[in-house]
Amino acid sequence: SAVISQKPSRDICQRGTSLTIQCQVDSQVTMMFWYRQQPGQSLTLIATANQGSEATYESGFVIDKFPISRPNLTFSTLTVSNMSPEDSSIYLCSVQGWSGYTFGSGTRLTVV
Amino acid sequence: GESVGLHLPTLSVQEGDNSIINCAYSNSASDYFIWYKQESGKGPQFIIDIRSNMDKRQGQRVTVLLNKTVKHLSLQIAATQPGDSAVYFCAESGVSGTYKYIFGTGTRLKVLA
Repeated sequence: SAVISQKPSRDICQRGTSLTIQCQVDSQVTMMFWYRQQPGQSLTLIATANQGSEATYESGFVIDKFPISRPNLTFSTLTVSNMSPEDSSIYLCSVQGWSGYTFGSGTRLTVV
Repeated sequence: GESVGLHLPTLSVQEGDNSIINCAYSNSASDYFIWYKQESGKGPQFIIDIRSNMDKRQGQRVTVLLNKTVKHLSLQIAATQPGDSAVYFCAESGVSGTYKYIFGTGTRLKVLA
């Protein structure tokens, strides 16, 4: 299965600032997925990122708040913009494998 | 500190006993289901999967049971070990072909020595 490197692993950010999370996969993949996991909660899909096209966002998530780049088949970034404490979560990227998803180790974001 | 699983339902099991973790899924049209294990500081990891044309599937020390009539999924872990302590999520395939999995609320498993 694919190996995913995600960074940073954690960060503490001031409200009003932005953070860009990077996700690198060791093989070419068509779709990459970005999830949010709020404290004590399950995983919620933010958007699906395909190379060469704009990301597809789920209900409740918008491009202005969570811009995504997908410049090639092995890399994607998610930016959390104009952060507030409510954005404090774990952000995870994932790719589809032979059996479900393979996940990165996540980025633990705390907004103060 | 750990934030994953902090407010989730918790199942405490004695080491060596069997664990049963339950999950109710939402979409009767879902045709593929997965159990994930998430340890502190890590992303979810695949444990076992099952397709809707099956009722039961066994892996190494784990068994998944699917009851489509009541939209219920369970994960059984035999001879639970300390390394099994984690948060467990079920996921259903949702809309076919989109690879958008819908995750359940999760259960935190604590193994008591």
